[in-house]
Amino acid sequence: EVQLVESGGGLVQPGGSLRLSCAASGFTFSSYEMNWVRQAPGKGLEWVSYISSSGSTIYYADSVKGRFTISRDNAKNSLYLQMNSLRAEDTAVYYCAATTSFDYWGQGTLVTVSS
Amino acid sequence: QSVLTQPPSVSAAPGQKVTISCSGSSSNIGNNYVSWYQQLPGTAPKLLIYDNNKRPSGIPDRFSGSKSGTSATLGITGLQTGDEADYYCGTWDSSLSVSWVFGGGTKLTVL
Repeated sequence: EVQLVESGGGLVQPGGSLRLSCAASGFTFSSYEMNWVRQAPGKGLEWVSYISSSGSTIYYADSVKGRFTISRDNAKNSLYLQMNSLRAEDTAVYYCAATTSFDYWGQGTLVTVSS
Repeated sequence: QSVLTQPPSVSAAPGQKVTISCSGSSSNIGNNYVSWYQQLPGTAPKLLIYDNNKRPSGIPDRFSGSKSGTSATLGITGLQTGDEADYYCGTWDSSLSVSWVFGGGTKLTVL
C-alpha cells in the first residue's frame, strides 16, 4: 500500500524557517517525481514545487521561488521542503504528492506563520 | 485568481448527472493532459481522472473526463450523497516558466 507521511509542520514566526519531510513507502520512491502542494485555510489547492525522480529537475511556484528549497533522498525514501523567510501567507496545510499526475497524496502537515 | 477557471459550485439531486467545467488556455490545457481530484471534507485530495479521461484503479466508471481544445470537463453520473466534495482540475502550464496549475475548485452539493 502506498503511504506518504508528512511531518515537520508547526507554528513559526514571520521570517522564520521550517523543514518539512515526507516519508514514502509502498512504492519505488526513486522512480517517481514528487511535488509539494499547499492549501490555505478555507482556500483551494496551490502547487508549490516539483522534483524529478533523480532530483536533477526542479520547479517552483513564483510565490515561493527564492525562499523554499525542495530536495529528496532516494536512499531514505524521503522528500523535503526547506522553507525560509516565512510569511503569514505561507500558512497552509502542506501535502506531498507523488507522480506528475499527483496519483498519491499524504495526509498533510499544518504550517502556521504567526507572531 | 486561478489560471484554470472552474464554477465555484454545482448541485444536483441524488441519481442525477452533473458536469464540472475547467477552462484554460493553450499554455496549459491546450497542450497538456488534465487531471481531476476529489477532496472530501477534512481529507487530502484524491486523484479521480488523469491523462484527460483515464481512471485510476478503484475509481468507479460513474466518473469520467473529457477535453476539447482549451477546456476540460468532469462528469459524474448516478450522484450519491458521498460525492459531496470539492473538485479540482489541474495540469502543467508552460506560459512563462514550467509550473503545475490547479483550478479554483468546485463545490458539489448533492441535494
